[in-house]
Amino acid sequence: AQRVTQPEKLLSVFKGAPVELKCNYSYSGSPELFWYVQYSRQRLQLLLRHISRESIKGFTADLNKGETSFHLKKPFAQEEDSAMYYCALRRTYGQNFVFGPGTRLSVLP
Amino acid sequence: DSGVTQTPKHLITATGQRVTLRCSPRSGDLSVYWYQQSLDQGLQFLIQYYNGEERAKGNILERFSAQQFPDLHSELNLSSLELGDSALYFCASSVGGGQIDTQYFGPGTRLTVL
Repeated sequence: AQRVTQPEKLLSVFKGAPVELKCNYSYSGSPELFWYVQYSRQRLQLLLRHISRESIKGFTADLNKGETSFHLKKPFAQEEDSAMYYCALRRTYGQNFVFGPGTRLSVLP
Repeated sequence: DSGVTQTPKHLITATGQRVTLRCSPRSGDLSVYWYQQSLDQGLQFLIQYYNGEERAKGNILERFSAQQFPDLHSELNLSSLELGDSALYFCASSVGGGQIDTQYFGPGTRLTVL
């Protein structure tokens, strides 16, 4: 069965410091990986997806199939990045999403 | 604003009761998804409808049911409510039911069961 883990429940960094939010998955097929973000009092929104290979708000994520990871990175964190971040997996031929438990990122001034 | 709307915003009810949550997808989107977000279970996929038909099922309890109407809005029915059903219920919509579609989330309905 597919599973997504995010080992850090809370991650605190100072403004301007690099940040890495970890995500590991288990799935026997070729998954599609996503990062969703939920800012305070706002709805869940897509941040980025691995097939797009894009950088959104300075964040990037690379799918590492060997390590089954999809870590989210940003070289210089900003206070407005403080939010809840969810890693999600979608199966190759399905719509079922499996979400990780989430990591709360707190960027301190 | 993603264009997905959900009503009501908050709902407080008692154990044993039945409630209906409503979701209107973005204009043109054919798929609707329902999720439950609770403190202990995290964000869980419940069910997906595509153009009126059930497309995929996740961790949805038998006490829960959903449907998608001809105008594409969807309702999630929760019955015989228990304290543990207290959660934030999100719906999301996407253009199609295919693999490449991005899901856009609504603001959620917060259900409190007393």
